[in-house]
Amino acid sequence: DGGITQSPKYLFRKEGQNVTLSCEQNLNHDAMYWYRQDPGQGLRLIYYSQIVNDFQKGDIAEGYSVSREKKESFPLTVTSAQKNPTAFYLCASSSRGTSGPTDTQYFGPGTRLTVL
Amino acid sequence: DAKTTQPPSMDCAEGRAANLPCNHSTISGNEYVYWYRQIHSQGPQYIIHGLKNNETNEMASLIITEDRKSSTLILPHATLRDTAVYYCIVRVVNQGGKLIFGQGTELSVKP
Repeated sequence: DGGITQSPKYLFRKEGQNVTLSCEQNLNHDAMYWYRQDPGQGLRLIYYSQIVNDFQKGDIAEGYSVSREKKESFPLTVTSAQKNPTAFYLCASSSRGTSGPTDTQYFGPGTRLTVL
Repeated sequence: DAKTTQPPSMDCAEGRAANLPCNHSTISGNEYVYWYRQIHSQGPQYIIHGLKNNETNEMASLIITEDRKSSTLILPHATLRDTAVYYCIVRVVNQGGKLIFGQGTELSVKP
């Protein structure tokens, strides 16, 4: 099956600890994205990558870091510098990372992070 | 900031058409309108998108006004499984074509 996987589905961490969220895709997409969702809100862009070994900050990148060493993987690290890390984190991918009509973004199932 | 406004909630009877409106009065000429839906605690699911022509696929129809300032998503025969939050999104051309989500419309399909 082609798709985007995120693991784990639920994650609990103590305050002050860094935590890494996994995102893998087997769609052969060039572009990958990380969004954050807070209760009752829409998604906000954290980071995105349009090609391997390159990534850009989104609208709320502070307190987060990413890497893109492989085309199929785009892990997100939530650092202790992130003031309010408890949220639902969603990974997405698209063919080329453009706004073109055939370049639809598809989402993974999400990881719910709770910092205690 | 979201470039779209939607009613916060709507109800629809099972088997009837669900018509979800969206205003996007500041949309630029090369920006597409996308619709996604999200069932609680799941990732958003792509539904349909369009630029200025009406579009239809196996899930829904999208009607965009001639001035492109508003659109309507139509689910022709709503089922209980269509209960979800529906997001109307204007996709920007920068930042990798990011999606700017508003708060969406919570659609409740009732038997």
